Amino acid sequence: SAVISQKPSRDICQRGTSLTIQCQVDSQVTMMFWYRQQPGQSLTLIATANQGSEATYESGFVIDKFPISRPNLTFSTLTVSNMSPEDSSIYLCSVLLREPYEQYFGPGTRLTVT
Amino acid sequence: GQNIDQPTEMTATEGAIVQINCTYQTSGFNGLFWYQQHAGEAPTFLSYNVLDGLEEKGRFSSFLSRSKGYSYLLLKELQMKDSASYLCASMDSNYQLIWGAGTKLIIKP
Repeated sequence: SAVISQKPSRDICQRGTSLTIQCQVDSQVTMMFWYRQQPGQSLTLIATANQGSEATYESGFVIDKFPISRPNLTFSTLTVSNMSPEDSSIYLCSVLLREPYEQYFGPGTRLTVT
Repeated sequence: GQNIDQPTEMTATEGAIVQINCTYQTSGFNGLFWYQQHAGEAPTFLSYNVLDGLEEKGRFSSFLSRSKGYSYLLLKELQMKDSASYLCASMDSNYQLIWGAGTKLIIKP
């Protein structure tokens, strides 16, 4: 298993500012993902952040808006840039362990943009 | 294409058994996950199936049929704390997960 922590757990930010979310894992993992989830909806993958390679973004998400760092096998950051109220959501980091495959999520960061 | 379907909502009685179905169409299928998510919390990993058949973990079991593109999560001896959303997700050969919209399970006393 893996234990994941995220900082901050929640924040209220002003339009036009940026917020960096940190994700820390208690073990070394190669595959890490960033998701967001609107209340009552399913998960939407923002990007895959594997250590040693550039992050891969899903359709509708771009690096300028959501830059990601993955400096080592236990840590990653996601920045939400130039925020607007539409960015209000819960942001979750997740890791995929292999053999057997298990995926774990951090507790999430609840972001409100005013 | 990539598609995954599960019922939006189900209701069951405390102490009973409920089966939540999930159908998928995934290119390069590489397994199916089930998660439990309580309101306001992150999803919790329940199971992963890649081979056909039933895998049991306590009160929860997960079944997969690759030929039918079908899975189910079986919850036995339902407890009130099992009220939550249950998400199925299929994984493709690139380790990308395709998520269902989730099934909200309501447990009544």
